[in-house]
Amino acid sequence: GQQVKQSSPSLTVQEGGISILNCDYENDMFDYFAWYKKYPDNSPTLLISVRSNVDKREDGRLTVFLNKSGKHFSLHITASQPEDTAVYLCAAGENQGGSAKLIFGEGTKLTVSS
Amino acid sequence: DMKVTQMPRYLIKRMGENVLLECGQDMSHETMYWYRQDPGLGLQLIYISYDVDSNSEGDIPKGYRVSRKKREHFSLILDSAKTNQTSVYFCASSPGTGPSAETLYFGSGTRLTVL
Repeated sequence: GQQVKQSSPSLTVQEGGISILNCDYENDMFDYFAWYKKYPDNSPTLLISVRSNVDKREDGRLTVFLNKSGKHFSLHITASQPEDTAVYLCAAGENQGGSAKLIFGEGTKLTVSS
Repeated sequence: DMKVTQMPRYLIKRMGENVLLECGQDMSHETMYWYRQDPGLGLQLIYISYDVDSNSEGDIPKGYRVSRKKREHFSLILDSAKTNQTSVYFCASSPGTGPSAETLYFGSGTRLTVL
């Protein structure tokens, strides 16, 4: 089964609004959680990540919330802008001596309309 | 310049032919990965390599093998390609140490079509 799941394949948000992207995972050994952004015909790039010892991390307009008991994490983008339009991939993994065998979700296509 | 380089960018092969996808990185990263991306499935891990000759299967290794003889190079081999291996293949590397140990740096991808 899918170990990391993004249940919403797409999301549309008005410019200036808050985009909320969700991700669920199955393996409670996962201790590293990340969000990657991907433009069409480009490679994914890391947006923000968090380890399991915190339940929230902010970086500018981005905030990751981690709910370990619910095996769920989310990405909030405030003041959404048209350039935020992209596919967002969540990823989770277990840190194994520095590396993590990252498992990705299916992706959510975010469209920010002006 | 921190970079993961994949060659070729586009490739068309016939069913049954052998395929070699190459990946290089100039960051001395220990860990390297091969993923494939298909519509609706996101990125699926094929193989992970923790260092030279230290490779481990990912979630979908069947039909693939890998080779890592130098830290900076990681190859993906398809022996006798099948049409269901048509996909976009991404190579990635991660530092393995430090505060960003788990951060993946991706190559630009190889779009493989097997006819």
